[in-house]
Amino acid sequence: GAGVSQTPSNKVTEKGKYVELRCDPISGHTALYWYRQSLGQGPEFLIYFQGTGAADDSGLPNDRFFAVRPEGSVSTLKIQRTERGDSAVYLCASSLLAGVADTQYFGPGTRLTVL
Amino acid sequence: AQTVTQSQPEMSVQEAETVTLSCTYDTSESDYYLFWYKQPPSRQMILVIRQEAYKQQNATENRFSVNFQKAAKSFSLKISDSQLGDAAMYFCAYRSAPGNTPLVFGKGTRLSVIA
Repeated sequence: GAGVSQTPSNKVTEKGKYVELRCDPISGHTALYWYRQSLGQGPEFLIYFQGTGAADDSGLPNDRFFAVRPEGSVSTLKIQRTERGDSAVYLCASSLLAGVADTQYFGPGTRLTVL
Repeated sequence: AQTVTQSQPEMSVQEAETVTLSCTYDTSESDYYLFWYKQPPSRQMILVIRQEAYKQQNATENRFSVNFQKAAKSFSLKISDSQLGDAAMYFCAYRSAPGNTPLVFGKGTRLSVIA
């Protein structure tokens, strides 16, 4: 079956611009996670959705970052006034439920480059 | 806060040989899960193996096994009969239990397999 998909695969933007990154989770998965992976680092948690609501957004670095999941499926990560430090791979993952034992399935990520 | 440390930035192994990747973690919790994820150049994180902290028996998945030492807070991954397709970044990750908590990743170990 289809896995987690993310679009675009790569995004190049200029400092100060607005970007949207999209995640399509596995069908039927109720939990969705966003992580950010900077060069040479492991992924770092940004935000987690259970259904339509953001259950934990403690990882968002500042108020320039925002994410939505209006229908409990597709999610969009939005970054305003991008900065060069936002350059990273943004990974999305989904799981059937949100329990600790539920495997998170990752997408291939979006590589964001801010010039 | 929990931290995960992978002290080996890079490792290499001859094809068909065995290699062990190290991981230590810091936590004051008694109930948690540990994971090893593989990230090939395609960027898509793939779950390799996981271990529940309350289980004393080490997890095994085909050629992959772990050495879980709870008192020492150590969780190493052993890959037997290494194959060229095993070449990738490997990330150790921690997740608190119970509850809906995010994965906490180490910085990763890059594994090369030499033919």
